[in-house]
Amino acid sequence: QSALTQPASVSGSPGQSIAISCTGTSDFGSYNVVSWYQQHPGKAPKLMIYEGTRRPSGVSDRFSGSKSGNTASLTVSGLQAEDEADYYCCSYVGDSSWVFGGGTKLTVL
Amino acid sequence: EVQLEESGGGLVTPGGSLRLSCTASGFPFDDAWMSWVRQAPGKGLEWVGRIKSMAGGGTVDYGAAVKGRFTISRDDSRDTMYLQMNSLKTEDTALYFCIWCGSPHKFDYWGQGALVTVSS
Repeated sequence: QSALTQPASVSGSPGQSIAISCTGTSDFGSYNVVSWYQQHPGKAPKLMIYEGTRRPSGVSDRFSGSKSGNTASLTVSGLQAEDEADYYCCSYVGDSSWVFGGGTKLTVL
Repeated sequence: EVQLEESGGGLVTPGGSLRLSCTASGFPFDDAWMSWVRQAPGKGLEWVGRIKSMAGGGTVDYGAAVKGRFTISRDDSRDTMYLQMNSLKTEDTALYFCIWCGSPHKFDYWGQGALVTVSS
């Protein structure tokens, strides 16, 4: 079964753009159903991106997703203080099973 | 407004059992695919399992860590999903989130979670 690998931390200054990667094995690359979640301390996660690139209603267009081969990415542009949070990728990996990445802590400097 | 409220969490000794409930409102529960995801203290998210709508077959799937010990069920007449947890281990200690899946491959709305602590 695939594991999804994310960097432990990323950081950026207000106004800058950052990208968080999510790398899986070959079975992950077969699917295009990666989703991304934002979690502030003490809060429930929030869906930010689904099916790799789609944004739910109400999510800022500063958040965008992409995927190339076995790596998906979440880009946050125009960083704001409120973007500081943990971010998790997730994907269907076959055999009726879903896997989350280990999470990335985004720090806004 | 979508609301998901988990209940039934608490302290249990290793080997014991506990049942969580998730009561939903604000969307057609009987059409909904629902999931459980957990988060150990200070750790990341882990998919526990999912139950399809009865119209979708009512199929239940589980993550490897809980398969054979946990059972997910639903009562559409009560707009409620359940997580029966048996043979609990210390590593099952976590905040358990109830989730409405608006479509098969995304976790749209999350409850605030129910804390389960497995300790002697």
